[in-house]
Amino acid sequence: QVQLVESGGGVVQPGRSLRLSCAASGFTFSISGMHWVRQAPGKGLEWVAAISYDGSKKYYVDSVKGRFTISRDNSKNTLYLQMNSLRAEDTAVYYCAKDLGVGGRYGYFDNWGQGTLVTVSS
Amino acid sequence: EIVLTQSPASLSLSPGERATLSCRASQSVSSSLAWYQQKPGQGPRLLIYDASNRASGIPVRFSGSGSGTDFTLTISSLEPEDFAVYYCQQRSNWPPLTFGGGTKVEI
Repeated sequence: QVQLVESGGGVVQPGRSLRLSCAASGFTFSISGMHWVRQAPGKGLEWVAAISYDGSKKYYVDSVKGRFTISRDNSKNTLYLQMNSLRAEDTAVYYCAKDLGVGGRYGYFDNWGQGTLVTVSS
Repeated sequence: EIVLTQSPASLSLSPGERATLSCRASQSVSSSLAWYQQKPGQGPRLLIYDASNRASGIPVRFSGSGSGTDFTLTISSLEPEDFAVYYCQQRSNWPPLTFGGGTKVEI
């Protein structure tokens, strides 16, 4: 079955960096688009970034453009989110999610990980 | 950016009752809308996509309807495991992909 396991979260000071990873298994990662979605404590869901199956196309929500970078390594079945210049408002549980369609631009999320908590605080 | 507004914010019902959740878009999203269920401490689960298609493994008591700007998720007869938070999400002309604020279905 599909498994998505996030790691890399923790407590970080404002302005610092963190890299999240998502290990994927149970499906053909190399043909699947992937996303990061976050959820601030007690709040709703916010889409953060998406990447096409081959990494050639990347999309971001405006609030993270220029600070976050999504990437993937298909040889390792792993998705990444490099987060720089972190702010207090980036505090959230970060989920990786698989795109419903083949190729990666369908725009729905048919499998989710359990999430990893990022806390930005001095 | 397309804004999704869900109503009500919370819904108090009993097992066996019918739940009707609403999602309204700030502009037409055609049928490009999905519904998710989220339980505490878990990632969301896809229930419905393209407004009315049940995702794999989703029970038939969950159904979706609507198009354009007004959408409904109906749970025909609530089971104990259905008490959760439900989110709608649109994929029309993205990025960005956006979610509604959620509806909590509670006992």
